[in-house]
Amino acid sequence: QVQLQQWGAGLLKPSETLSLTCAVYGESLSAFYWSWIRQPPGKGLEWIGDIIDSGSTNYNPSLESRVTLSVDTSKNLFSLRLNSVTAADTAVYYCARGRQFPSQFDPWGQGTLVTVSS
Amino acid sequence: EIVLTQSPATLSLSPGERATLSCRASQSVKSYLAWYQQKPGQAPRLLIYDASNRATGVPARFSGSGSGTDFTLTISSLHPEDFAVYYCQQRSNWPPTFGQGTKVEIK
Repeated sequence: QVQLQQWGAGLLKPSETLSLTCAVYGESLSAFYWSWIRQPPGKGLEWIGDIIDSGSTNYNPSLESRVTLSVDTSKNLFSLRLNSVTAADTAVYYCARGRQFPSQFDPWGQGTLVTVSS
Repeated sequence: EIVLTQSPATLSLSPGERATLSCRASQSVKSYLAWYQQKPGQAPRLLIYDASNRATGVPARFSGSGSGTDFTLTISSLHPEDFAVYYCQQRSNWPPTFGQGTKVEIK
């Protein structure tokens, strides 16, 4: 059974770079799309982008200028970097698996709350 | 970008009652619509994909229907563990987008 476990810094100052990593257990990265999705407190869900094992990416146009996804197939993990964060980037960030592009998402990581505050 | 509008925002029901949740798309998404359940402090869980297919392990009391712009998630008889927030999500057009959610609360 595939499991996603994520980690990263939970408190940032404005203008800093958000960095999160998601490790995939029980399955190879190949043949799937690996996404990041975020949820501001008390609000809905926003897809950030996805990546495949070759490193090819798709980004949400709303965040594309600040987002970079990367993959490390030797360690079976993928990562998110979001630069120049502001308070509006405060959210729970999730990693998730997709079977195609665009996709539905299953399963999801446990989520990481990232708070941006001076 | 396709906008998904869910209604109602909140549904107040008792255990054993039938829940009917709606999701309307701003343009056709064919049958490429999914439903998720989210409980407080947890990640969303996929319930239904491609409008009517139950994900692995999802109880049969959950069913999805619809195509084009109008979709429905039905919970035939609410169990105590079903009180949660439900989101729809389309994968017909890029980028994938989510509805704003319907909260099913205990009456």
